[in-house]
Amino acid sequence: GENVEQHPSTLSVQEGDSAVIKCTYSDSASNYFPWYKQELGKGPQLIIDIRSNVGEKKDQRIAVTLNKTAKHFSLHITETQPEDSAVYFCAASWGSGGYQKVTFGTGTKLQVIP
Amino acid sequence: EADIYQTPRYLVIGTGKKITLECSQTMGHDKMYWYQQDPGMELHLIHYSYGVNSTEKGDLSSESTVSRIRTEHFPLTLESARPSHTSQYLCASSDDRGGDTQYFGPGTRLTVL
Repeated sequence: GENVEQHPSTLSVQEGDSAVIKCTYSDSASNYFPWYKQELGKGPQLIIDIRSNVGEKKDQRIAVTLNKTAKHFSLHITETQPEDSAVYFCAASWGSGGYQKVTFGTGTKLQVIP
Repeated sequence: EADIYQTPRYLVIGTGKKITLECSQTMGHDKMYWYQQDPGMELHLIHYSYGVNSTEKGDLSSESTVSRIRTEHFPLTLESARPSHTSQYLCASSDDRGGDTQYFGPGTRLTVL
């Protein structure tokens, strides 16, 4: 089955600096890679996603890159703000004909220091 | 914002009690999931459903059971709660038409004394 590794498990950055979280996956059939943000006391919420036919996607201060050959994808947050502090999860998913298999990474706790 | 709800948000209960954690979504999603989340953050899939009358066990073995009698409702039941069941339980749903994105509820924090 799919195995998703996520690093680092904790990350502290100064406000305004960039943060990068990296994930690797094992199953080359995975074709959808979402990133979730979980704030304290809440469930994870999708912040950005990328499909296997795209190498990079950007949405304001966040971007995701995908290297299918190397089987890794990364989340980039620029100009970090205190409200970016949360736990971030990557995931790898594949599915067809209604069947879907999603595997989550182990999470990264990001702390943005004002 | 996703319309998926979980009740109760917090539950403290004694050993041996039967409990049901409720999960409802108003998006008409066919797929629903239950995850158990460690204090160390990791999400573990314990049950999923692809539609009414469909339920499957997830990757992590769990003593809980689920049912899917209506599309919008996916309750999780523990017949006899034990301290080892203490955890955060997250419900999610997804829809083929919307891609593979999972929408999560706010979670239920269960403490078994």
